[in-house]
Amino acid sequence: AQSVTQLDSHVSVSEGTPVLLRCNYSSSYSPSLFWYVQHPNKGLQLLLKYTSAATLVKGINGFEAEFKKSETSFHLTKPSAHMSDAAEYFCVVSGSREYGNKLVFGAGTILRVKS
Amino acid sequence: DAGVIQSPRHEVTEMGQEVTLRCKPISGHNSLFWYRQTMMRGLELLIYFNNNVPIDDSGMPEDRFSAKMPNASFSTLKIQPSEPRDSAVYFCASSPQDRGNEKLFFGSGTQLSVL
Repeated sequence: AQSVTQLDSHVSVSEGTPVLLRCNYSSSYSPSLFWYVQHPNKGLQLLLKYTSAATLVKGINGFEAEFKKSETSFHLTKPSAHMSDAAEYFCVVSGSREYGNKLVFGAGTILRVKS
Repeated sequence: DAGVIQSPRHEVTEMGQEVTLRCKPISGHNSLFWYRQTMMRGLELLIYFNNNVPIDDSGMPEDRFSAKMPNASFSTLKIQPSEPRDSAVYFCASSPQDRGNEKLFFGSGTQLSVL
């Protein structure tokens, strides 16, 4: 089985400062990992994904995430926050075919960006 | 492409009433997913279809919930009878791959309030 834990329910940063959203996962096999973003009143949008290629994954809007197997982590970072980054972010781990290809979502982290 | 289209955007109903949520996936996508999002539980997969066939409905909470996909361009999620604890945002997503867990495209969701 797999699970995902987002360590912070809320993160607040100032505009122009770095963003770090933490995610730890548990999986009995090599997982695929994703970060999704949800802006207010909008649907979910894929930011980036890791599928056993390069451990540092670059996504849209300047976000990156690094897969660290030894730490079972997949933290999301951005060097400089922008006001438009304020949203809720979901870390997601996928299952294999024998687990029904399910996606397991973390509880979400709300990112607040202060001017 | 207009993306995944869900209707209605908002639904307010009284306890005991039947609720039907609708979804039009992106044309050509093989897989369709229904998710429910609540503050308490985050995002939960309810059911997913591959080529119009339900593959895994283990996430459907109760017999009051049912989903259909009569053709490749339309799916419904029905709750009958509805209860206040069903209040949530319901997302539909589609994927171009039959594994279905790599690249999901989400609709904007239906905000359901059961009074």
